[in-house]
Amino acid sequence: GAVVSQHPSWVICKSGTSVKIECRSLDFQATTMFWYRQFPKQSLMLMATSNEGSKATYEQGVEKDKFLINHASLTLSTLTVTSAHPEDSSFYICSALRRGLGINEQFFGPGTRLTVL
Amino acid sequence: GENVEQHPSTLSVQEGDSAVIKCTYSDSASNYFPWYKQELGKGPQLIIDIRSNVGEKKDQRIAVTLNKTAKHFSLHITETQPEDSAVYFCAARAGEKTNAGKSTFGDGTTLTVKP
Repeated sequence: GAVVSQHPSWVICKSGTSVKIECRSLDFQATTMFWYRQFPKQSLMLMATSNEGSKATYEQGVEKDKFLINHASLTLSTLTVTSAHPEDSSFYICSALRRGLGINEQFFGPGTRLTVL
Repeated sequence: GENVEQHPSTLSVQEGDSAVIKCTYSDSASNYFPWYKQELGKGPQLIIDIRSNVGEKKDQRIAVTLNKTAKHFSLHITETQPEDSAVYFCAARAGEKTNAGKSTFGDGTTLTVKP
């Protein structure tokens, strides 16, 4: 399968600071990437769809000014959690869409554990 | 929009037994159904998928069946091993023109294989 990396794998920050998470597709180009948030023992909650060279599409209820997404290249998308608060603590997972003949496969990164103190 | 229901939420089997996880979907436009395995603290990993033009697909100990008429699909794991213990998610997706390639996920099944 294809490889998607995330950095950092975990981060602890103080309330009010901003945190940037990187998502990279290592062996394929991804014009579309997705950002998810996952709470303990729950399913994946889609936050936004990141499209290379254009603005991200946010799901209903997700604050675009708080969760800034930038997809500047075909292999990199970043999620910045601005002015983080304890309620933003969560497991953030990105995925990249690999386009193929007839079907597009979605590959996930290893996730980033964010803890806001 | 699409709604995916997954059952059971937890499943415990003895090593060597089979495990079956079932999902139903609501949108008849969905045509791609992947299954993901997520181990603790890690991201989901694609383990098998099936397209709507196929009724069954098998990869070693893992198989997936799809009933388009009934709108349900299932994951079958045979000869389970302790390393199969994880959370399994099903998902459904329509073509990109319908929803930009977004998948709808089930709530997950925690599978425990007892040695």
